[in-house]
Amino acid sequence: KQEVTQIPAALSVPEGENLVLNCSFTDSAIYNLQWFRQDPGKGLTSLLLIQSSQREQTSGRLNASLDKSSGRSTLYIAASQPGDSATYLCAVRYDSWGKFQFGAGTQVVVTP
Amino acid sequence: EAGVVQSPRYKIIEKKQPVAFWCNPISGHNTLYWYRQNLGQGPELLIRYENEEAVDDSQLPKDRFSAERLKGVDSTLKIQPAELGDSAVYLCASSLEAGGTDTQYFGPGTRLTVL
Repeated sequence: KQEVTQIPAALSVPEGENLVLNCSFTDSAIYNLQWFRQDPGKGLTSLLLIQSSQREQTSGRLNASLDKSSGRSTLYIAASQPGDSATYLCAVRYDSWGKFQFGAGTQVVVTP
Repeated sequence: EAGVVQSPRYKIIEKKQPVAFWCNPISGHNTLYWYRQNLGQGPELLIRYENEEAVDDSQLPKDRFSAERLKGVDSTLKIQPAELGDSAVYLCASSLEAGGTDTQYFGPGTRLTVL
């Protein structure tokens, strides 16, 4: 069974600290992986999309790495801000026509 | 550019009642998805449309759930009759192309509470 796991389920850090969020998947034959942000009462916002041929993607303070051999992706958020408080979900796709397999998310709180 | 629009945002009904959710995707997006998100979990795909055709409805509980996407634009998801376990957030998403290289854009969701 293909599973996506995000640990920890919740994380609290002081403002300015770097955030490291983990995503692991049981089947390494992925097509791509996407990181999303979800604010309370709102839908998901795409942050970064990594194709299987890529090792990382960067956007501003965000950097996502992909290691297919170990079945892991890591989302780094540099110099965290209170506005980064949200739930972060990763989603794995196993073929171009397949559905996303979502993790349960990591709830992040950045304290001023 | 307007995002994915969903209505209503909240719905409270009693069990065995029918309920319907509406979604208007981003203009020009051919692919539309309906997801269900239970509390503390990630979204699970219910159905995917390519234009007006449902190409993946394997996770849709067809005994009580139905969906349509007339003219390949707006979509409606219906539950009849609703059960207590249907309480969740129902998310609609759209993407420009069907291929997996394209980003999905999500609406704000409809929070359903079944009493």
